[in-house]
Amino acid sequence: DAKTTQPNSMESNEEEPVHLPCNHSTISGTDYIHWYRQLPSQGPEYVIHGLTSNVNNRMASLAIAEDRKSSTLILHRATLRDAAVYYCIPQRFNQGGKLIFGQGTELSVKP
Amino acid sequence: NAGVTQTPKFQVLKTGQSMTLQCAQDMNHEYMSWYRQDPGMGLRLIHYSVGAGITDQGEVPNGYNVSRSTTEDFPLRLLSAAPSQTSVYFCASSYSPGGRNEQFFGPGTRLTVL
Repeated sequence: DAKTTQPNSMESNEEEPVHLPCNHSTISGTDYIHWYRQLPSQGPEYVIHGLTSNVNNRMASLAIAEDRKSSTLILHRATLRDAAVYYCIPQRFNQGGKLIFGQGTELSVKP
Repeated sequence: NAGVTQTPKFQVLKTGQSMTLQCAQDMNHEYMSWYRQDPGMGLRLIHYSVGAGITDQGEVPNGYNVSRSTTEDFPLRLLSAAPSQTSVYFCASSYSPGGRNEQFFGPGTRLTVL
């Protein structure tokens, strides 16, 4: 399983963009890069995932480095509701339900 | 769709008692899994299933049993509860194998073992 490195914590101001980095230098060529977040006292929530190209959805954007050894989750305008722990998880194409969670980045958002 | 449901929401057990945590999903997902989350920690995989009748161990399987007799249900059994099993338990499901698909998580069961 690929190992990930994320900052323990980050701070942002409300309505400003946030860039959450993740290093996954041991990722294999078939690993998708998933991001989940966990709001306080809730179960994890899917945010976005990608393989090689940058991806956008209604929640966030995912920028994947050309060598795929790192990625950045971009929240375009942080809200108070985005305060959560964000997990970057490389996942094999054939691993099904097997997500390996690291420590994640705790994002706090200031009004 | 109700999504992934878990019961009970809270449970207190005495050391040595057994119990079953229930998990159900109504999305016809083949893949289901159980995680535990200790205070201040990330989630750790206990067991997972790639379809009815098929289960496998995750990172921390000791002290837990699972079975998958239907697509919808994936119960987690604690055989003889220990204080070290005090944790929040999350069930998750996904449509098909691997990286292309998102996982849906339940709201969790908070278990305390005295």
